[in-house]
Amino acid sequence: EVQLVESGGGLVQPGGSLRLSCAASGFTVSSNYMSWVRQAPGKGLEWVSVIYSGGSTYYADSVKGRFTISRDNSKNTLYLQMNSLRAEDTAVYYCAREREGGQGIDYWGQGTLVTVSS
Amino acid sequence: VIWMTQSPSLLSASTGDRVTISCRMSQGISSYLAWYQQKPGKAPELLIYAASTLQSGVPSRFSGSGSGTDFTLTISCLQSEDFATYYCQQYYSFPWTFGQGTKVEIK
Repeated sequence: EVQLVESGGGLVQPGGSLRLSCAASGFTVSSNYMSWVRQAPGKGLEWVSVIYSGGSTYYADSVKGRFTISRDNSKNTLYLQMNSLRAEDTAVYYCAREREGGQGIDYWGQGTLVTVSS
Repeated sequence: VIWMTQSPSLLSASTGDRVTISCRMSQGISSYLAWYQQKPGKAPELLIYAASTLQSGVPSRFSGSGSGTDFTLTISCLQSEDFATYYCQQYYSFPWTFGQGTKVEIK
C-alpha cells in the first residue's frame, strides 16, 4: 500500500527556515516524480516543486531561490528545505507522488501545516 | 506562465443533476490536464488525467473532455458524496498550475 507521511511543519518566524520531510512506503521515491503542493488557509492549491526520477528539479516562481527539493534514497524520503520564509508561505504542505510521466498526482500525504508569523 | 480560468467558482446543484465545470488555458496545452476533487480537511484526489482518462477506482459518472485550451469536467448524475471542491491542473509546462477551484454545493 502506498503511503506518504509528512512531518516537520510548525510555527516559524519570518525570515526563518524549516525542513519538511515525507516518508514514503509501498513504492520507491527515487523511481518516481515527486512533488510538493501547498494550500494556504481557505485558499486553493498551489504547486510548489517537483523532482524527477532522474534528479532534475523545478520550482514555482514564488519559491525559486528560497526552497530546495531533495530526496534521500536510502531512507526513501522526500524533503523540502524552506529558507527566508514569509507570511505568505503559511499553508498546509502536501507531499505527492506523480503518476508515471508526471500525468497528475495519484497519491497525496495528509499534509503538514507551516505557519510563518512573529 | 500558463494562466488558467476555471469556472464557475461556485455551483449550486441538486442530487441527480448533470454538472459541468470549465477550465480555460491562456495557451494550448494539448491534453496535459488533470482534474481533482477535494473535500474539507482532506487531501485532493485524482479524478481524471490526460484530459479524459478516468483514474482507477473513480466512478464512471465523472468524465473529462477537451484539448488545447478548453477543457470540461462533467458529473453525469450528482451524488451526495460529490459535493466538494474541484480543481484542474496543467502539467504541460513549468510552472505547473492549478485552477482557482469550483465549489459544488447543495442547492
